[in-house]
Amino acid sequence: SQTIHQWPATLVQPVGSPLSLECTVEGTSNPNLYWYRQAAGRGLQLLFYSVGIGQISSEVPQNLSASRPQDRQFILSSKKLLLSDSGFYLCAYYRDSGSYEQYFGPGTRLTVT
Amino acid sequence: AQSVTQLGSHVSVSEGALVLLRCNYSSSVPPYLFWYVQYPNQGLQLLLKYTSAATLVKGINGFEAEFKKSETSFHLTKPSAHMSDAAEYFCAVNTGFQKLVFGTGTRLLVSP
Repeated sequence: SQTIHQWPATLVQPVGSPLSLECTVEGTSNPNLYWYRQAAGRGLQLLFYSVGIGQISSEVPQNLSASRPQDRQFILSSKKLLLSDSGFYLCAYYRDSGSYEQYFGPGTRLTVT
Repeated sequence: AQSVTQLGSHVSVSEGALVLLRCNYSSSVPPYLFWYVQYPNQGLQLLLKYTSAATLVKGINGFEAEFKKSETSFHLTKPSAHMSDAAEYFCAVNTGFQKLVFGTGTRLLVSP
């Protein structure tokens, strides 16, 4: 069966510090991978998605970046965090089931102080 | 472009009452539609999906949704609310390119 992991679960970082969030998927190969952000009281905003190793598409211009160094690993990074980067970050994957549903990880709560 | 509108950011019901969460979609292609549930500080869990088979879709935890093309709707219902149903619910539609567009969510509050 497929599982998706995210870490850390919670993170408190000062403004201007770097960020690295990791997402890994088990039990499937060559999944599409997605990073979403959920700000307080708002819906899900798609940040990045990847259809393969080294292939990253950015949906929203910002000071975040994403990388996919391995087939089932997706990393979200920032060189310098802003207060507005606070939020709940969710990783998701899609496997070719023909019906487009995505499966979500447990999320990372990021607070920038 | 595909989009989803969820009417009502908050819905309050009493335990045992009918739950109705509304979702209207806009899609230029035959849509695949989804309902997800999110409990506090957790990821999203797929409740049910419409993939052009039966228009009445049954999901987990007693929820179901009916696809109505003429009304471009995909409302979520449950006959009898339980306290454990209190959560945030998101409707989503596929955009093609293997991406989903989510609504802004509806928080369901269940009172005893």
